[in-house]
This record gives sequence, C-alpha cells and structure tokens, in this order.
Amino acid sequence: GAGVSQTPSNKVTEKGKYVELRCDPISGHTALYWYRQSLGQGPEFLIYFQGTGAADDSGLPNDRFFAVRPEGSVSTLKIQRTERGDSAVYLCASSLYGEQFFGPGTRLTVL
Amino acid sequence: RKEVEQDPGPFNVPEGATVAFNCTYSNSASQSFFWYRQDCRKEPKLLMSVYSSGNEDGRFTAQLNRASQYISLLIRDSKLSDSATYLCVVTPGTGNQFYFGTGTSLTVIP
Repeated sequence: GAGVSQTPSNKVTEKGKYVELRCDPISGHTALYWYRQSLGQGPEFLIYFQGTGAADDSGLPNDRFFAVRPEGSVSTLKIQRTERGDSAVYLCASSLYGEQFFGPGTRLTVL
Repeated sequence: RKEVEQDPGPFNVPEGATVAFNCTYSNSASQSFFWYRQDCRKEPKLLMSVYSSGNEDGRFTAQLNRASQYISLLIRDSKLSDSATYLCVVTPGTGNQFYFGTGTSLTVIP
C-alpha cells in the first residue's frame, strides 16, 4: 500500500518568504507527527496531531511555525518569514499503534 | 541535558564483525524504546522495538537496562548492507513525543 508522501521533495526559498510543506499520511492513520532534521542530527520533534487537533505542539520553535490538519488526514506545515536557520529536512510520520512510518521528507533551503 | 545521548561514531567494521551501539536516556519514566535505521538521504525506518526482557531479530539483538537507563543494539555477522545510521528513540512516560538520538554511523567494509 501507499506510504507517507510529502511534497515538495525540495524547496528553495529566500529569507523572509512564506512556505508550506505538505504531508499525506498512510490512510487510516490517526496520529501524524512533524519533525525537523538538520545534518548530523536526529529528527527533532515539532508537533503531533491526533485526528484534526494538535495534541502536542511543544516542539514548534517559535510562532513563525504553524501546522494544520483540518480533515484529520493531510497536514500542512507553514513557516512564515523564513530564516536561514530554518534550512533542514522536514519529516512527517504517521502511526496507528505505536510504530511511526516516515515520509521521504522535504528538504528546505533558505537562501 | 539531552533526552537521549548516542555516540555518533563513525564505526567502521569489517564484514562479519560484531558491533554494539549504546544509547543513554535521561528520563527514568520513559516508557517505550526503539531502534530506527536511516540510510543516507532517506527517511528513518523502524529496525526493532526494545523490550524489557530483551529481544532478538535474526542478527540483531536489542537490550534495555532500566536501572542504568541505557539501551543497546548488537549486530552480529555484519553485512555491507548494514551500513547506515542507527537512531535510538525513547518516548516519555507522558506525552507523545519521540526523542531521537543523534544517530550512530556504521560503515561495514568489505
């Protein structure tokens, strides 16, 4: 069956611009997670959805970051006024019972 | 203090060798433990869960030591295809965050 998909696979933007990153979880998975991974580091938790609601957004670094999941399936991570330090791979994962299945990630580069 | 600490390596071992990775965690109330594998420029994939009694899956053995707050992964008879980064993952007693270590890089040399 289809796994987690993320679009775009690569995104290059300029400092100060707004970006949206999309995640399509595995069908039926109620939990959805966003992570950020910098080079040489493990994934860093950003936000967790259970259904439509953000159950835990404690990992969002500041108010420039926001995520939605309006229908309990697809999620969008939104970053306002991007900064060079936002450059990283943004990973999405979904799960039903424990194990998290990751998407291929979106590589964001802020110039 | 980081939630999860791992030796980043790199570990370079010959084919057929046995190699072990350790990972320590800071929260004694942590509930669940996993090892994920991540290939270069790919997403992490679950390798195995770690149970209190220890568990084995073929050439891979995972152990949990709650008293010392560490988990380990042992790989026997290393294959070239084992070359990857191995990520230690811990979940807290409350909340839904997965805490990842920085990963340990393994290269198996012919």
